[in-house]
Amino acid sequence: TQLLEQSPQFLSIQEGENLTVYCNSSSVFSSLQWYRQEPGEGPVLLVTVVTGGEVKKLKRLTFQFGDARKDSSLHITAAQPGDTGLYLCAGKRDYKLSFGAGTTVTVRA
Amino acid sequence: NAGVTQTPKFRVLKTGQSMTLLCAQDMNHEYMYWYRQDPGMGLRLIHYSVGEGTTAKGEVPDGYNVSRLKKQNFLLGLESAAPSQTSVYFCATRTFGDEQFFGPGTRLTVL
Repeated sequence: TQLLEQSPQFLSIQEGENLTVYCNSSSVFSSLQWYRQEPGEGPVLLVTVVTGGEVKKLKRLTFQFGDARKDSSLHITAAQPGDTGLYLCAGKRDYKLSFGAGTTVTVRA
Repeated sequence: NAGVTQTPKFRVLKTGQSMTLLCAQDMNHEYMYWYRQDPGMGLRLIHYSVGEGTTAKGEVPDGYNVSRLKKQNFLLGLESAAPSQTSVYFCATRTFGDEQFFGPGTRLTVL
């Protein structure tokens, strides 16, 4: 059983559309991270959110941490083909990260 | 400055064979991790180390052993490979901040 549940599992949209990926848990984390992974490579960190209710923006990407620090969302505005990839959320407790199963995002030109 | 490197990139084993995966880092990071990634299951932690000479079990440690004799290297061993260990293996490092830096992965197939 995954500690972190991501939804949806797959998402295919047209260039220019918006999308949201969700990451939910019944556990509290000291921080939550979002990574992006491209085929044949390791994940790369996009953002870390630490405070409940925190919102961070990275160009067209907006990340939100839930008030209770149990859930998070990633919103992409006006998606581009370069946003295609596997998006992973990860919750930190002690020295370790627990990862969600990931959301595969495909943006069609 | 290579960051995190993994050797080998690909390997095919027969059931019962043994092998060692090597992770090397040149970032002087204290923490190192071994994960496996399977379709639909995300990354699962196998073992980790909080410093030279230390190791600890993660979420799925059975069938694997690790050693951290030098700070820059973290070895993952499979003593008797099983088909269930077919996976992509990632090594990662972390300093005292939150970001983990991942290697490019090792794709292992056990027949």
